Amino acid sequence: DTGVSQDPRHKITKRGQNVTFRCDPISEHNRLYWYRQTLGQGPEFLTYFQNEAQLEKSRLLSDRFSAERPKGSFSTLEIQRTEQGDSAMYLCASSLGSGGAYGYTFGSGTRLTVV
Amino acid sequence: GDSVTQMEGPVTLSEEAFLTINCTYTATGYPSLFWYVQYPGEGLQLLLKATKADDKGSNKGFEATYRKETTSFHLEKGSVQVSDSAVYFCALSDAQGAQKLVFGQGTRLTINP
Repeated sequence: DTGVSQDPRHKITKRGQNVTFRCDPISEHNRLYWYRQTLGQGPEFLTYFQNEAQLEKSRLLSDRFSAERPKGSFSTLEIQRTEQGDSAMYLCASSLGSGGAYGYTFGSGTRLTVV
Repeated sequence: GDSVTQMEGPVTLSEEAFLTINCTYTATGYPSLFWYVQYPGEGLQLLLKATKADDKGSNKGFEATYRKETTSFHLEKGSVQVSDSAVYFCALSDAQGAQKLVFGQGTRLTINP
């Protein structure tokens, strides 16, 4: 297993378009997290899955954002009608059980630029 | 809600200097504490962690001790190298529920030869 994979690494899109990102966690990890990181800031929590169930969503996740994790494996994050304020690095992380005890593994991120 | 405050950056040091990056936190319950490092264009790599009071996390010459009485988790290294140049994030994971990470704003460290 090569860790957490995210695709694409970079995405440039025009304002108003829809975009979708994919995250493949470490295969045995049951917890999956999405974070957003803007320039010069620390990552901010967006949403959390335990297996296929989405159990928590941040208020940052407006109704233009949707995330899925079918069958508890890979996850997708879709942004509809993108805005310039959506430009950021989107990070995915996974953990086996309690991340506090076992740690969280991050992917390299998808950098979104909305023009 | 839970929060993490890191010392303002950027920090510039000469090679072999002593490094301290301060981190304090506010949390309910008993969070786990982490330091992550981010190199340019990369995701986050776990540097070290501590899960309970008085635990010391260490890795690659870096150390941090979980101080419950001062709600701190300061990062230290005795002799920095140019390769340590990166952005360092202090974080906590909430003790219940999602156990999501709450990050500080990051400290950019530059080491000059």
